Amino acid sequence: EVQLVQSGAEVKKPGESLRISCKGSGYSFTTSSISWVRQMPGKGLEWMGRIDPRDSYTIYSPSFQGHVTISADKSVSTTYLQWSSLKASDTAMYYCARDVLLAPDSWFDPWGQGTLVTVSS
Amino acid sequence: DIQMTQSPSSLSASVGDRVTITCRASQSISKYLNWYQQKPGKAPKLLIYAASNLQTGVPSRFSGSGSGTEFTLTITNLQREDFAIYYCQQSYSTPLTFGGGTKVEIK
Repeated sequence: EVQLVQSGAEVKKPGESLRISCKGSGYSFTTSSISWVRQMPGKGLEWMGRIDPRDSYTIYSPSFQGHVTISADKSVSTTYLQWSSLKASDTAMYYCARDVLLAPDSWFDPWGQGTLVTVSS
Repeated sequence: DIQMTQSPSSLSASVGDRVTITCRASQSISKYLNWYQQKPGKAPKLLIYAASNLQTGVPSRFSGSGSGTEFTLTITNLQREDFAIYYCQQSYSTPLTFGGGTKVEIK
């Protein structure tokens, strides 16, 4: 079974750094890109960016470029989403999802269970 | 960026009803359109990919159609477990974008 398992909920203070993770299993990790999606409380879904674990090539949404860093470690089948200085507005649920690519088309399947990040002083 | 607009934003329906949700793209996206279902407290789940292809394991009462700028998700014989929020998503170009969601509630 293809599965993405994310790290647990985090509570942080503004200005702190954070890295959350997403571990893939049940498939060859380097054969699929992984995307990160934000869902702010009570709101819709926003694509943040994707990474190709083969070479760590990353593309970001302009809305998130410079605010977060997406990385991958293929040796442990894990991708990461990190912040160097959190803001209260980063409070949200963050999902990772496998990009199923059938060029030129793509879709997200499956999704991780989500990591809730709360930033509060 | 390609803007995705869903309508309605919410609807009330009864078990057994037929429900149609529309998704419009701000420019042509061919058939690069996917649909997801999200239940409260859960991650989204893929229902339909490439506009009209039913994901394995998804009940056949779900169907998708459309191309270009207008797409529909239809649920026939609505079941209690279908009450959820539905999102469309374009995969034509980055940044990938989602519609605002349609909440299907019990009447």
